[in-house]
Amino acid sequence: NAGVTQTPKFRILKIGQSMTLQCAQDMNHNYMYWYRQDPGMGLKLIYYSVGAGITDKGEVPNGYNVSRSTTEDFPLRLELAAPSQTSVYFCASSYDRGSYNSPLHFGNGTRLTVT
Amino acid sequence: KQEVTQIPAALSVPEGENLVLNCSFTDSAIYNLQWFRQDPGKGLTSLLLIQSSQREQTSGRLNASLDKSSGRSTLYIAASQPGDSATYLCAVSSGANNLFFGTGTRLTVIP
Repeated sequence: NAGVTQTPKFRILKIGQSMTLQCAQDMNHNYMYWYRQDPGMGLKLIYYSVGAGITDKGEVPNGYNVSRSTTEDFPLRLELAAPSQTSVYFCASSYDRGSYNSPLHFGNGTRLTVT
Repeated sequence: KQEVTQIPAALSVPEGENLVLNCSFTDSAIYNLQWFRQDPGKGLTSLLLIQSSQREQTSGRLNASLDKSSGRSTLYIAASQPGDSATYLCAVSSGANNLFFGTGTRLTVIP
């Protein structure tokens, strides 16, 4: 079982560059999430999706965009990268009614450095 | 806003010892609480999920309790092993679309 797959694992960006972090899940989960994890801080929600074609902002959405054209894929787009976006990014998914009744499944993360 | 705190930030114990990890949260209006394990350079793995109406959940050597009224949860690990070394995070759900995470307890089990 692949579960939640994130690519790339590592990336270095220069200030002002753009990139897309890829996330795919093969569990037919409706709910998908993007979190960032900064040292000494808890994970913060960037964006989430409750199904194909439906996305919404989380706690820290500024500087990011998402799309959800299929159930399987939930890419995160960074436009005009800034040093404050240096972080580890995690994609997660869950089966039913979000986190009410089902645990989250996480990918292994993308470590992004913006210099 | 929900705040989740985990103390201590780090813990070292000898192999075989039973141990308790603590999690506290400020808003008792939660739907569930989840405990996760995170290994270095890896994503989070869900260990236990406790619904707000439940008092505890067990999985193997792990037992998680929830006292919603006092805003506390504990994760009990019996007969610890070196393979249990990891960071343990708790997270509370205040809705379908977000979990509020603590900063974790880094556990080291010494052989």
